[in-house]
Amino acid sequence: DGGITQSPKYLFRKEGQNVTLSCEQNLNHDAMYWYRQDPGQGLRLIYYSQIVNDFQKGDIAEGYSVSREKKESFPLTVTSAQKNPTAFYLCASTPTGTSSYEQYFGPGTRLTVT
Amino acid sequence: GQNIDQPTEMTATEGAIVQINCTYQTSGFNGLFWYQQHAGEAPTFLSYNVLDGLEEKGRFSSFLSRSKGYSYLLLKELQMKDSASYLCAVAGGYQKVTFGTGTKLQVIP
Repeated sequence: DGGITQSPKYLFRKEGQNVTLSCEQNLNHDAMYWYRQDPGQGLRLIYYSQIVNDFQKGDIAEGYSVSREKKESFPLTVTSAQKNPTAFYLCASTPTGTSSYEQYFGPGTRLTVT
Repeated sequence: GQNIDQPTEMTATEGAIVQINCTYQTSGFNGLFWYQQHAGEAPTFLSYNVLDGLEEKGRFSSFLSRSKGYSYLLLKELQMKDSASYLCAVAGGYQKVTFGTGTKLQVIP
């Protein structure tokens, strides 16, 4: 089955540690996205990538880093510089070569930093 | 930049009709989405409007007026399972999609 996977579903870390969230898709989509969602809030764009080896900052990129070495993978690193890292993180991708921008979402990773 | 506004919360009765509004101000526009999101889950796609007018899909319909920067999602014959957050999102340039803060809908018996 095609889709987007994010692992793990729940992640716990100590303050001051970097942590990497994985996102893998087998939909052959070119564009991939990372969003952050806080309780009762909408989705805020962290980073997005339209093609391999290229990515752009979203609205809240500070304290985060990404890489896009393969089409299928778009890992997000939450660094110790991120002031409030506890949140629900969602990865998404967009079909290639169509006029639709519909985003296909992974199940999300809930990160708790204490 | 993008600015998207939608009501924070709404309550409606089972079996009724509810309209959730969304207004937007954007520097680029390639379409408007509506997503449904249940608590703790990922959003699921409901509709995508590119041109002005009403698009109907079962119990859900979505309307767009580009000149007014306005959209609404209409939910008919409300069911308890429709209790969720409804997210309005605008596709701008460079495949960037910006989401509103969402409207939490509570359906009551």
